[in-house]
Amino acid sequence: EPEVTQTPSHQVTQMGQEVILRCVPISNHLYFYWYRQILGQKVEFLVSFYNNEISEKSEIFDDQFSVERPDGSNFTLKIRSTKLEDSAMYFCASSRTGGAYGYTFGSGTRLTVV
Amino acid sequence: AQKVTQAQTEISVVEKEDVTLDCVYETRDTTYYLFWYKQPPSGELVFLIRRNSFDEQNEISGRYSWNFQKSTSSFNFTITASQVVDSAVYFCALSDRKTSYDKVIFGPGTSLSVIP
Repeated sequence: EPEVTQTPSHQVTQMGQEVILRCVPISNHLYFYWYRQILGQKVEFLVSFYNNEISEKSEIFDDQFSVERPDGSNFTLKIRSTKLEDSAMYFCASSRTGGAYGYTFGSGTRLTVV
Repeated sequence: AQKVTQAQTEISVVEKEDVTLDCVYETRDTTYYLFWYKQPPSGELVFLIRRNSFDEQNEISGRYSWNFQKSTSSFNFTITASQVVDSAVYFCALSDRKTSYDKVIFGPGTSLSVIP
């Protein structure tokens, strides 16, 4: 069964450093998403991406965040200057027809900012 | 405004018992979608079901069943004859047209422990 692949599974970074989280969505999917889950808390929407541009973003997704689809297969989330409160599990998701039809999530990247 | 409430934070059941996970949602839209996701201890999010606001038929898939009632804004999930592998956090989620179908709002989750 096709899957969304995220790398790395765990990343530790120092506060203030830039970090890039990588995702390979399912190949025929057109909609891409990032969500995050602070430990033990709810899953929160960050951003959606379609047709090479951001379609929706939450208030969490401020100027320190950016997303990019640098080629036909990867979808990245960059955090420019990490803060301690950015420590969370980050999930990438993709969908062929949009959020209304449900997502396929990746297995997540656990980001720890120290 | 959108909101999803899962009042049960943690539930423990003994294997083979039936268990119902409650979900109450709020939306001002008449067109919306409801979802359930499972998060096992390994951490990934697994899609279980999607239901649109125009389809109030209950659904059964093996030991899983879902009861959607618009009159009470509820979308409850029942596991029949629970098994240890059902131990996970279960999230109910909502997206609607007015906010954006692409912005899915998750409830806080219910942690289910099935004891052998």
